[in-house]
Amino acid sequence: RKEVEQDPGPFNVPEGATVAFNCTYSNSASQSFFWYRQDCRKEPKLLMSVYSSGNEDGRFTAQLNRASQYISLLIRDSKLSDSATYLCVVNRVSSASKIIFGSGTRLSIRP
Amino acid sequence: DVKVTQSSRYLVKRTGEKVFLECVQDMDHENMFWYRQDPGLGLRLIYFSYDVKMKEKGDIPEGYSVSREKKERFSLILESASTNQTSMYLCASSRPGQGIGETQYFGPGTRLLVL
Repeated sequence: RKEVEQDPGPFNVPEGATVAFNCTYSNSASQSFFWYRQDCRKEPKLLMSVYSSGNEDGRFTAQLNRASQYISLLIRDSKLSDSATYLCVVNRVSSASKIIFGSGTRLSIRP
Repeated sequence: DVKVTQSSRYLVKRTGEKVFLECVQDMDHENMFWYRQDPGLGLRLIYFSYDVKMKEKGDIPEGYSVSREKKERFSLILESASTNQTSMYLCASSRPGQGIGETQYFGPGTRLLVL
């Protein structure tokens, strides 16, 4: 079983829709969590950190559920430009070598 | 803005060749990383370095070595390239976090094809 798992998708949704996807992690010692965005043939870029209390950045909301060991990303009022692969990242603060990337969820927004 | 650059965007090499991939960051970050990214497997950590001349193995170090002689530069070396090392190679850097983990900044990647 992978330490970090994501549904690969693709999620194909119409513009303006709300879409959400989860990422599960297996190691309960994991301490920090992030969502990265990767456009086709580009490098990953940080989208947002995920805090215990949840956090929101415009149309994007990230949540952490420690009891069930998953994080989620919600995108409201989706735009064509949101089409990308979203990577879930989990790490233990004490060890830089334990930064684990999920394999990503592909999102495609159609007009 | 943090800038991470990689020496090549595309490389074609032959089996058995020695390959050098260079990465440079301009933000004085302590940590630097080399990943490879393959379809369905996500990013996998090859090596990372937390200081000059310091290195630690990641998840898949076999067939690779690294060098960090200067803080801003981290090199990945394929001693004898093999076809299963055909991949996208991504370099990243970060400053150790302040209790909230580390944000990584990635270079544009090098697509390596080994024939």
